Amino acid sequence: EDQVTQSPEALRLQEGESSSLNCSYTVSGLRGLFWYRQDPGKGPEFLFTLYSAGEEKEKERLKATLTKKESFLHITAPKPEDSATYLCAVQAPSSSNTGKLIFGQGTTLQVKP
Amino acid sequence: DGGITQSPKYLFRKEGQNVTLSCEQNLNHDAMYWYRQDPGQGLRLIYYSQIVNDFQKGDIAEGYSVSREKKESFPLTVTSAQKNPTAFYLCASKRTSGRLGGNEQFFGPGTRLTVL
Repeated sequence: EDQVTQSPEALRLQEGESSSLNCSYTVSGLRGLFWYRQDPGKGPEFLFTLYSAGEEKEKERLKATLTKKESFLHITAPKPEDSATYLCAVQAPSSSNTGKLIFGQGTTLQVKP
Repeated sequence: DGGITQSPKYLFRKEGQNVTLSCEQNLNHDAMYWYRQDPGQGLRLIYYSQIVNDFQKGDIAEGYSVSREKKESFPLTVTSAQKNPTAFYLCASKRTSGRLGGNEQFFGPGTRLTVL
């Protein structure tokens, strides 16, 4: 069964303390891995798409990387405004025509000043 | 500005009532999706539509219904048959399907439904 698991469930950092969020998946023939940021009470905001192992994408303090079994979202020198829930989703080959995504439960990040 | 709008932001439903959640997009996207989000769970797919006048059930379609009469609009009705409808509902759209690239889904702001 295709699955996505994110860890940790919650992460508390001090401002400036770099760390990484993990997204593990059990999909063969990945058609895309997606990272989103979600603020409380709001819809997810698209961050990155990764398609191939070894691919990396960067945006401000965030960098997403992809291997054959997992993706990492690295947060460098985070600020309090980076506090949010980060969602990971994958698209399996069986969903290539429908665009269906499988979502993980998310990692809630809190950055304290 | 192009985007996805959902209304209302908050909705209260009495037992036995049907309610309809609105979702509109002006991104010219072909595919649209409805998700349900509950605390501690990943987003779960309710219904999706890849083209006007066609839609398919997702993983948790029981107690819900949809229509897709226009490309821009994909309303979701939560019927009285849905036994636990209190949740945060998210609508999303996607530009293309079946091609590598352009597979990102973009989300609306959500509707929080509470059963009284």
